[in-house]
Amino acid sequence: NAGVTQTPKFQVLKTGQSMTLQCAQDMNHNSMYWYRQDPGMGLRLIYYSASEGTTDKGEVPNGYNVSRLNKREFSLRLESAAPSQTSVYFCAVQAPPANEQFFGPGTRLTVL
Amino acid sequence: QKEVEQDPGPLSVPEGAIVSLNCTYSNSAFQYFMWYRQYSRKGPELLMYTYSSGNKEDGRFTAQVDKSSKYISLFIRDSQPSDSATYLCAMRTSGTYKYIFGTGTRLKVLA
Repeated sequence: NAGVTQTPKFQVLKTGQSMTLQCAQDMNHNSMYWYRQDPGMGLRLIYYSASEGTTDKGEVPNGYNVSRLNKREFSLRLESAAPSQTSVYFCAVQAPPANEQFFGPGTRLTVL
Repeated sequence: QKEVEQDPGPLSVPEGAIVSLNCTYSNSAFQYFMWYRQYSRKGPELLMYTYSSGNKEDGRFTAQVDKSSKYISLFIRDSQPSDSATYLCAMRTSGTYKYIFGTGTRLKVLA
């Protein structure tokens, strides 16, 4: 997980609360991703950013917003948390030219 | 039917055994294949990356791609208790940023 950091590591929210998950990389790559990982579901893509200032929806974007204000940071925001958003969230950075993805350590989120 | 299928396990083997982990897929356009290892409560760690068909070896790990059968494998030789983890496969087509992940196989190597 070297090069990709995520904060916080753990978070408990009540239904309806908001929060922002932070991701930062020191790998100097353009493409960054947010995934959620749930038992039996594997990793599912929430949002993707090809470069600073650009974002695209993934497989499960509903209930989330993202922000890519600079090359280094990509944040994920839950505006009104729901129990269905209880999950482990991973940020990843894609490295050219082979386009392998490198993951951060994750944020474990529980919504009560 | 999921695009990528992976047996969830757990797969238990004795230390020193050769382990075979597999994924099947339905999209014949997949060209890029990755294997990740994920320890409990940690992020996935990239193990192997292969393009198209063939084998790739790195130390005790060998990745194989059989595109005709839509089947990929990860072999671990001389398995160690430290190899106990969940192994995820991932794949994508060319020209897309989106990887499709398997749900992972949990491996236990018994000392």
